[in-house]
Amino acid sequence: NAGVMQNPRHLVRRRGQEARLRCSPMKGHSHVYWYRQLPEEGLKFMVYLQKENIIDESGMPKERFSAEFPKEGPSILRIQQVVRGDSAAYFCASSAGRSSYEQYFGPGTRLTVT
Amino acid sequence: ELKVEQNPLFLSMQEGKNYTIYCNYSTTSDRLYWYRQDPGKSLESLFVLLSNGAVKQEGRLMASLDTKARLSTLHITAAVHDLSATYFCAVSRDDKIIFGKGTRLHILP
Repeated sequence: NAGVMQNPRHLVRRRGQEARLRCSPMKGHSHVYWYRQLPEEGLKFMVYLQKENIIDESGMPKERFSAEFPKEGPSILRIQQVVRGDSAAYFCASSAGRSSYEQYFGPGTRLTVT
Repeated sequence: ELKVEQNPLFLSMQEGKNYTIYCNYSTTSDRLYWYRQDPGKSLESLFVLLSNGAVKQEGRLMASLDTKARLSTLHITAAVHDLSATYFCAVSRDDKIIFGKGTRLHILP
């Protein structure tokens, strides 16, 4: 049973470009969460999605960031016009349900903005 | 707002010694987690603690939870170099997990 998959594992973008990060949840999981980890920091919640719905985006920056989890295919975290401060590790987690279900983390995508 | 504080943030210790990492959180939560992260890697789930008085042990690591004091501890017994990593405490509430800043543990051989 494959775990949570993320790709790419490493992504380099120049300032002003777009970054697209993909997350495939564990088989049978329909709940996806995105977290960001800045260097030397803990993970910070960004957004929680179920298939085709954003449930909680309270941790998402108001501009340039968006997330989706379509009916088919992986969840996508999109960052438009990246800036150096967006350089971080972005982790996806998935779960089988809300609240009482454990979240399983993927390997992360390390974004570097040059 | 739910906040999680860990201390110490950095810990350098000799092999064979015992030590404890503390985790305080500000309001009630659904469950408490301890994770391990090696440099450049993802999170490895160590313990999930659900109820007051819960204690779990795995090898040289033991975690406990006091929900009344909103305190969890991660105790390391007779540390070995392989335990060098960053350890995160986290609590869940309303579908999201809130992390502490982590404790960077360096065990000297």
